[in-house]
Amino acid sequence: DGGITQSPKYLFRKEGQNVTLSCEQNLNHDAMYWYRQDPGQGLRLIYYSQIVNDFQKGDIAEGYSVSREKKESFPLTVTSAQKNPTAFYLCASRRDGGLDSPLHFGNGTRLTVT
Amino acid sequence: KNEVEQSPQNLTAQEGEFITINCSYSVGISALHWLQQHPGGGIVSLFMLSSGKKKHGRLIATINIQEKHSSLHITASHPRDSAVYICAVRQGSGGGADGLTFGKGTHLIIQP
Repeated sequence: DGGITQSPKYLFRKEGQNVTLSCEQNLNHDAMYWYRQDPGQGLRLIYYSQIVNDFQKGDIAEGYSVSREKKESFPLTVTSAQKNPTAFYLCASRRDGGLDSPLHFGNGTRLTVT
Repeated sequence: KNEVEQSPQNLTAQEGEFITINCSYSVGISALHWLQQHPGGGIVSLFMLSSGKKKHGRLIATINIQEKHSSLHITASHPRDSAVYICAVRQGSGGGADGLTFGKGTHLIIQP
């Protein structure tokens, strides 16, 4: 079955450490997205990529970095520059960058930084 | 940027009840999504609609473009319907790079 896999489900890190969240999809989708979800808030877009080797900042990109070296993979690095990194992170993909195709989401990674 | 408001924020009901969740937005849109977030965190797309009404099983979604309002109904609710339901709107232009503005979600609990 095709889908999006995020790993790990739970991640704990010490303040000051960089951490990378994995997102892999086997849907052959061109576009991939990273969102952050905080209690009481709507999803917010961190970074997106519409094609391999290209990515763009979303609404809250500061303190985050991404790469898109393969179509299937879009890892997100939370750097020590991110002031409030504890959150639930969701990866999503879409067949193409067109806004008519539906988003497919992973199961998320809950990051806790202490 | 579009303002998306969902109501209620939290809803607890008994099994079998008819459930209505509302979504209002401030700027004209080209499409509206209803999403379901499971207790474990994963999100599933339920509906994408731009006019009228869609039905899938016990779920019904309606949209009134003139009133900038959509509703999600659940008939014969069941404990497995317990989840967070999220409304997201797509504007024809503007909005985020993903084209979507998300509501904060409605947390639904169905008690047996």
